Amino acid sequence: KNEVEQSPQNLTAQEGEFITINCSYSVGISALHWLQQHPGGGIVSLFMLSSGKKKHGRLIATINIQEKHSSLHITASHPRDSAVYICAVRSNSGNTPLVFGKGTRLSVIA
Amino acid sequence: EAGVAQSPRYKIIEKRQSVAFWCNPISGHATLYWYQQILGQGPKLLIQFQNNGVVDDSQLPKDRFSAERLKGVDSTLKIQPAKLEDSAVYLCASSWGLAHYEQYFGPGTRLTVT
Repeated sequence: KNEVEQSPQNLTAQEGEFITINCSYSVGISALHWLQQHPGGGIVSLFMLSSGKKKHGRLIATINIQEKHSSLHITASHPRDSAVYICAVRSNSGNTPLVFGKGTRLSVIA
Repeated sequence: EAGVAQSPRYKIIEKRQSVAFWCNPISGHATLYWYQQILGQGPKLLIQFQNNGVVDDSQLPKDRFSAERLKGVDSTLKIQPAKLEDSAVYLCASSWGLAHYEQYFGPGTRLTVT
């Protein structure tokens, strides 16, 4: 079982819809990252959080440490939001590398 | 601020050939990472440098993969000889330091081994 599980794997939405992508993990963590990967490979870091909630524009990330769960929300989705969204965690046991989920492929249709 | 630079962007080689990828991190970033991302998977760390020293190379297939960061700035990842299963995107990332810093990713090199 992968340490980081994302759902759904694929998501198609109509423009304007509210979108939620979920991430569950099995280890104690010091930080959780949400990343965006567009076709062509480049990855952009969206959020790094260890508690609570962060907001940037139309994107909101929340984390529940006790439940080992995080969500990424996109409000008023737009076709340019189409990308793969990846959750990654860093274990709180020493200097360990990021462990990545497989990603959620989002397509927003106009 | 210039981002992480990688070259080439694309490479096609035959199995058993050799290939090298280059990465120039963001200026001042002490930590440099090389990741392998196979289609449909998340990135997997191959090697992590802190300045010119190796911090973690536990997942690097050392019989065929090598990496160096001689002057603590840019880095080269080499595969010799390549296998079909090495087809992937190779991502370089950098950060100010270890663990608690945000990582900045380069555009990646897409390798196809035929």
